Amino acid sequence: EGQLVESGGGLVQPGGSLRLSCAASGFTFSDYYMSWVRQAPGKGLECVANIKEDGSEKFYVDSVKGRFAISRDNAHNSVYLQMNSLRTEDTAVYYCGRGRSALDYWGQGSLVTVSS
Amino acid sequence: QSALTQPPSASGSPGQSVTISCTGTSSDVGGYNYVSWYQQHPGKAPKLIIYEVTKRPSGVPDRFSGSKSGNTASLTVSGLQAEDEADYYCSSYAGNSNVLFGGGTKLTVL
Repeated sequence: EGQLVESGGGLVQPGGSLRLSCAASGFTFSDYYMSWVRQAPGKGLECVANIKEDGSEKFYVDSVKGRFAISRDNAHNSVYLQMNSLRTEDTAVYYCGRGRSALDYWGQGSLVTVSS
Repeated sequence: QSALTQPPSASGSPGQSVTISCTGTSSDVGGYNYVSWYQQHPGKAPKLIIYEVTKRPSGVPDRFSGSKSGNTASLTVSGLQAEDEADYYCSSYAGNSNVLFGGGTKLTVL
């Protein structure tokens, strides 16, 4: 049974940076696309970024292009989301998920609050 | 990168069936058979209940079924049970690794 555990969320001022981590276990990590999906308070889901199995292809939603960077370390079964130039509208619970078009495993979520 | 369109709410009595729609375009829902549906209970992570339009992951009851016609996908929940009360989200592949989600539908079991 696969498991994903996020870490790294917290409170940050506008313009600041945070790095989210997602540790995977229970499956062959290097065989899967990985995604980051966020959910603003009381709102719906939004795919923020995803990364191919070998890290060679990356996708970003328009609102985070140039500010966020997704990466992975297959040797350590982890995926990361580096978030720079954070804005108040980036406040959300950030989930990592296994897959791209269908996410069959999700982490518990990591709350990122951008506020002064 | 517009979100897919879902009704904000749906409801039904125990034992009844309810269908939730998800409307996109020919560039997403209509162009690919990669529509997924997720169930989310309050304070919990989403759970995949339908993928590739009609397929159910292991462990998901067959009361949940998916379909698609043109640019609109649908999720049908048959034999409604109290535990089905949750938010439901559709998603669709939209090319170039872009994945769009719907705005979500709150299902109430009366």
